[in-house]
Amino acid sequence: DVKVTQSSRYLVKRTGEKVFLECVQDMDHENMFWYRQDPGLGLRLIYFSYDVKMKEKGDIPEGYSVSREKKERFSLILESASTNQTSMYLCASSQTSGSYTDTQYFGPGTRLTVL
Amino acid sequence: GENVEQHPSTLSVQEGDSAVIKCTYSDSASNYFPWYKQELGKGPQLIIDIRSNVGEKKDQRIAVTLNKTAKHFSLHITETQPEDSAVYFCAASLNKYIFGTGTRLKVLA
Repeated sequence: DVKVTQSSRYLVKRTGEKVFLECVQDMDHENMFWYRQDPGLGLRLIYFSYDVKMKEKGDIPEGYSVSREKKERFSLILESASTNQTSMYLCASSQTSGSYTDTQYFGPGTRLTVL
Repeated sequence: GENVEQHPSTLSVQEGDSAVIKCTYSDSASNYFPWYKQELGKGPQLIIDIRSNVGEKKDQRIAVTLNKTAKHFSLHITETQPEDSAVYFCAASLNKYIFGTGTRLKVLA
């Protein structure tokens, strides 16, 4: 089974702090994704990566950055946390094959509260 | 831009009844349509998916239908059980996933 793990289930930070959210997958997937989930808005893509050291902006990248130094690890960074970044953050990974989109497998999520 | 509309936002059914959740997508080039179930405090888990070259797929009590002409796909759960209570998300994908806003399903015992 694919396993995607996230470093923290719950996190509380202060406004202005630098925040790191870590995600690790154990299936040698090329693709990794960061989403945020808010009530009534579904899942929105923040950033994704198709390979080590590669990153692409998603739909809502403002206020975030990412790092992918190793294939299995994808980090989301909030340079200066703000209260409007209080949310559930979900990491996902997928394989690359053929012309069809491949299934994304999600981690358990990190619920971040910024005070 | 691309979007996926999902209805209803909440759905309550009696145990043993069927539940249907519907999604409509805007990008006619979308070729992959997964459905995820998210239980409280957990990440979304894939429960069934369908690709654009197939009209229907079934897995035990769960089925998905796809109408490419209407750009519409639906999740059907038969003989619902209390453990089916969760939030369900649809998505449409070509190069990236566009998610619906979710349906909270409550199965009443």
